[in-house]
Amino acid sequence: GAGVSQSPSNKVTEKGKDVELRCDPISGHTALYWYRQRLGQGLEFLIYFQGNSAPDKSGLPSDRFSAERTGESVSTLTIQRTQQEDSAVYLCASSLFDDQPQHFGDGTRLSIL
Amino acid sequence: GENVEQHPSTLSVQEGDSAVIKCTYSDSASNYFPWYKQELGKRPQLIIDIRSNVGEKKDQRIAVTLNKTAKHFSLHITETQPEDSAVYFCAASLEYGNKLVFGAGTILRVKS
Repeated sequence: GAGVSQSPSNKVTEKGKDVELRCDPISGHTALYWYRQRLGQGLEFLIYFQGNSAPDKSGLPSDRFSAERTGESVSTLTIQRTQQEDSAVYLCASSLFDDQPQHFGDGTRLSIL
Repeated sequence: GENVEQHPSTLSVQEGDSAVIKCTYSDSASNYFPWYKQELGKRPQLIIDIRSNVGEKKDQRIAVTLNKTAKHFSLHITETQPEDSAVYFCAASLEYGNKLVFGAGTILRVKS
């Protein structure tokens, strides 16, 4: 019923640690997207899942970043060996493929100390 | 790949006046152009969108115009109110179900 849900809402971790961010899309939405928003900037595309197709990973900034999605449900974004430049808000969006626009979650604010 | 530029970066208007935000895009294959409003600390909210087979779309005080030849599109807000104050982002993509390329955002301040 509700919108896109993301957890945690805030995450503070030390440099070098791994973090895992979670996104629950709107039920029935086949497409899921991850974006990154640095402070005071626009959104940068990271990765896109559409049904059972191979994901579009063209926006991932380095091999420390990876994401998975099980079927048309929850997705996790993993950042390994975090760096200070990874500090940002990570936003997830979902859409009903080729039928509806993208709707965003509240994001996870990630702070790397 | 696609590149979207957005102007101005900040815009201050008096309550009741109109506000216009402009974006240009580089990829002529793009055919879907949404606008999002983001209040401080909140999620981006879709306020209006337009597809390339339409030149203009209006929803109450908000309108979007698209010029495919010139590869630019604009957001028009009439009779601005203090609650319109937020950051506005334009974006472009090939289809609804495709990645969005965003502009850098415009901070709109409506002074009462």
